[in-house]
Amino acid sequence: GAVVSQHPSWVICKSGTSVKIECRSLDFQATTMFWYRQFPKQSLMLMATSNEGSKATYEQGVEKDKFLINHASLTLSTLTVTSAHPEDSSFYICSAPTSGRAGSTDTQYFGPGTRLTVL
Amino acid sequence: QKEVEQNSGPLSVPEGAIASLNCTYSDRGSQSFFWYRQYSGKSPELIMSIYSNGDKEDGRFTAQLNKASQYVSLLIRDSQPSDSATYLCAVNLNTDKLIFGTGTRLQVFP
Repeated sequence: GAVVSQHPSWVICKSGTSVKIECRSLDFQATTMFWYRQFPKQSLMLMATSNEGSKATYEQGVEKDKFLINHASLTLSTLTVTSAHPEDSSFYICSAPTSGRAGSTDTQYFGPGTRLTVL
Repeated sequence: QKEVEQNSGPLSVPEGAIASLNCTYSDRGSQSFFWYRQYSGKSPELIMSIYSNGDKEDGRFTAQLNKASQYVSLLIRDSQPSDSATYLCAVNLNTDKLIFGTGTRLQVFP
């Protein structure tokens, strides 16, 4: 299957600092990527859709000024958690559809995830 | 009503048995359906996708879709302890978004 990577795999930071997470499609180009968050024992919740060359689309209740998304190239999307607080501690996962763009039948492949712990 | 519903489990089956995982969805316009497996602390791994009514088999896995009943299931034959994980049902709505159920935890005991 398609390969999606994330970096870092885990990060610990102090409250009030910003953390950047990278998501890369390794063997295909993706004009669209998705960012999810998963709290312990809960399911994945879609945070936003990252669009190459344009603004991200955020889900209801997700603060766009806190979770900055930049999709500057066809293989890289970044999520920056600004002024992180302990309640932002979670497992952040990105995904990309196999066609590289959003579509109703596209299979999505997930990155390995980034575990963020905010002290 | 939740968009995608699954029984949280745990579903416990003996090694070698058939595990049956079920999922219902609310949007009749849904077009594509996926089963993902997630081990603790890891990201989801795609097992099966299904788009048409009926059965789709891949090795020990069979996905079943019934759009009239808004129901999709996953059967795992000859269950192994390594199959113990949380199984996530995901539905792709017409909005291009993948909506996940809460997952069913499967435990296969020797």
